[in-house]
Amino acid sequence: EPEVTQTPSHQVTQMGQEVILRCVPISNHLYFYWYRQILGQKVEFLVSFYNNEISEKSEIFDDQFSVERPDGSNFTLKIRSTKLEDSAMYFCASSQGVRNTIYFGEGSWLTVV
Amino acid sequence: GESVGLHLPTLSVQEGDNSIINCAYSNSASDYFIWYKQESGKGPQFIIDIRSNMDKRQGQRVTVLLNKTVKHLSLQIAATQPGDSAVYFCAESSNTGNQFYFGTGTSLTVIP
Repeated sequence: EPEVTQTPSHQVTQMGQEVILRCVPISNHLYFYWYRQILGQKVEFLVSFYNNEISEKSEIFDDQFSVERPDGSNFTLKIRSTKLEDSAMYFCASSQGVRNTIYFGEGSWLTVV
Repeated sequence: GESVGLHLPTLSVQEGDNSIINCAYSNSASDYFIWYKQESGKGPQFIIDIRSNMDKRQGQRVTVLLNKTVKHLSLQIAATQPGDSAVYFCAESSNTGNQFYFGTGTSLTVIP
């Protein structure tokens, strides 16, 4: 069964450092997403991406965040200068079309120290 | 913003019993709902979905009920098994956007 894959599974970084989280969405999907989940809290929407541009973003997704589809398979989330409060599980997701079921990856656990 | 929440944060059931997990939403424009299961350290896993033109949908051992009048949806799990122990989230989407809003989750524990 096709699945969304994410790397790394866990990353520890120092405050102020740049982090890139990588994702390979399901191959025939056209919409890509990043969500995050702070420990013990609910899953929060960050950004959606379609046709090589951001289609929606939340207030969490400020200028420190950026997304990119550098090639035909990868979808990345970059945090330019990490803060302690960026520590969370980051989930990549994809869907075939707009407002279709979103399928999630296993997540990348980011710890900022 | 929209509000999606769950009535109970934890639920314990005996193995073999049926489980009912509830979810309330506040956005009357919400028209697509998904239940996800999240096991510890893993990503949300799709269980079942329902659109607002339906009030009931059944899957394998799971049923989702939607009451648009009171903005409530529920997930029923039949013959609950230990492998069903997880946190369950409802997520909703409206025709104003493509994103899904998640509730806070209900932790289901199945007692053998």
